[in-house]
Amino acid sequence: GQQVMQIPQYQHVQEGEDFTTYCNSSTTLSNIQWYKQRPGGHPVFLIQLVKSGEVKKQKRLTFQFGEAKKNSSLHITATQTTDVGTYFCAVTSGTYKYIFGTGTRLKVLA
Amino acid sequence: EAGVAQSPRYKIIEKRQSVAFWCNPISGHATLYWYQQILGQGPKLLIQFQNNGVVDDSQLPKDRFSAERLKGVDSTLKIQPAKLEDSAVYLCASSLDASGNIQYFGAGTRLSVL
Repeated sequence: GQQVMQIPQYQHVQEGEDFTTYCNSSTTLSNIQWYKQRPGGHPVFLIQLVKSGEVKKQKRLTFQFGEAKKNSSLHITATQTTDVGTYFCAVTSGTYKYIFGTGTRLKVLA
Repeated sequence: EAGVAQSPRYKIIEKRQSVAFWCNPISGHATLYWYQQILGQGPKLLIQFQNNGVVDDSQLPKDRFSAERLKGVDSTLKIQPAKLEDSAVYLCASSLDASGNIQYFGAGTRLSVL
């Protein structure tokens, strides 16, 4: 079956440093969504990517969909303590069933 | 706009007991999802409804889990009997429809099976 891996599993950064998480799929994707889950909270939608090579920006967050539509990345510039949480990708491959990745847990040290 | 409502927020039961969770999606959302999230893992889809029909339940342990959405609005998820490994947060989410729309999650029900 389809496998979705995220790396790294954990990342500790100093406030102001950049952060990147990667989402890798074993199959070609139809689209990918990114969610953020604060500690003790529930996943909250951030962005959806559909097109090959697509790049979207939200303030300090940059999202990219790979050319082969098998991977994606989320980059945060100049992290802040409010960025703490776990970032999940959720992918689908031609069906409407979403598979969530393993998540990257981000800690930001002030 | 009201969000996805779930109850209860917390539940503690002993193994072999039964438990039920309730979810009321955002008004007008046709698609409803139940996820199981074990500590430290990503949400795992248990069942997906489109209105009152099941779209996907391939990962639902049907020998002990059941779910219904009789009128195509709110939904219940039941576990009978519970096992220790069922300890997790059960998240309900809804979206306008199944075609790749944003999923809005409820706060979840944290289940502890002792």
